[in-house]
Amino acid sequence: GEDVEQSLFLSVREGDSSVINCTYTDSSSTYLYWYKQEPGAGLQLLTYIFSNMDMKQDQRLTVLLNKKDKHLSLRIADTQTGDSAIYFCAEKAAGNKLTFGGGTRVLVKP
Amino acid sequence: DTAVSQTPKYLVTQMGNDKSIKCEQNLGHDTMYWYKQDSKKFLKIMFSYNNKELIINETVPNRFSPKSPDKAHLNLHINSLELGDSAVYFCASSQKTGGTYEQYFGPGTRLTVT
Repeated sequence: GEDVEQSLFLSVREGDSSVINCTYTDSSSTYLYWYKQEPGAGLQLLTYIFSNMDMKQDQRLTVLLNKKDKHLSLRIADTQTGDSAIYFCAEKAAGNKLTFGGGTRVLVKP
Repeated sequence: DTAVSQTPKYLVTQMGNDKSIKCEQNLGHDTMYWYKQDSKKFLKIMFSYNNKELIINETVPNRFSPKSPDKAHLNLHINSLELGDSAVYFCASSQKTGGTYEQYFGPGTRLTVT
């Protein structure tokens, strides 16, 4: 079955690194995504990783994938106040369907 | 130059009414989606259309009926609105590009049923 889980909340100081974790259950997932949702806005695609990769880096963002444990993480380096938002991981299953986690609310404190 | 747009942004209506939400994308994508986000921010897919054909239809009450007049538009009509329909509804679109299927989301329509 498909189930994606995330921790609910993360508080981090400005300038520190944030690590947001996600676990998924569908071993047939081909792509995994990270989306960002700011208050009152839609979801913005941040990055994605193909299931045969272990790591992907994109500027301040680093995605790590442990396929054996079905664990995905997003690291944000040098976290800024503008990074405060809800972050969703999502897995792509059959039929282009995305299954989303419940979202992690990140609060960046000055 | 908005990529995925939705109207209206806010919709307040009474129980029992019928309402529609419109979605348009100018990205040239061939697949469009409707998602529902509840008050706890949980996001769940409702429908997906590919080239005007319904390809995903999750367990959604049949009061919800999507309509896709062309590849660039996917509208959502809701009959006999109930209190539990209050949520934010997001439209999204995607296109297979190099094997990936990134979905691009609209700004959302906040529906409040009183």
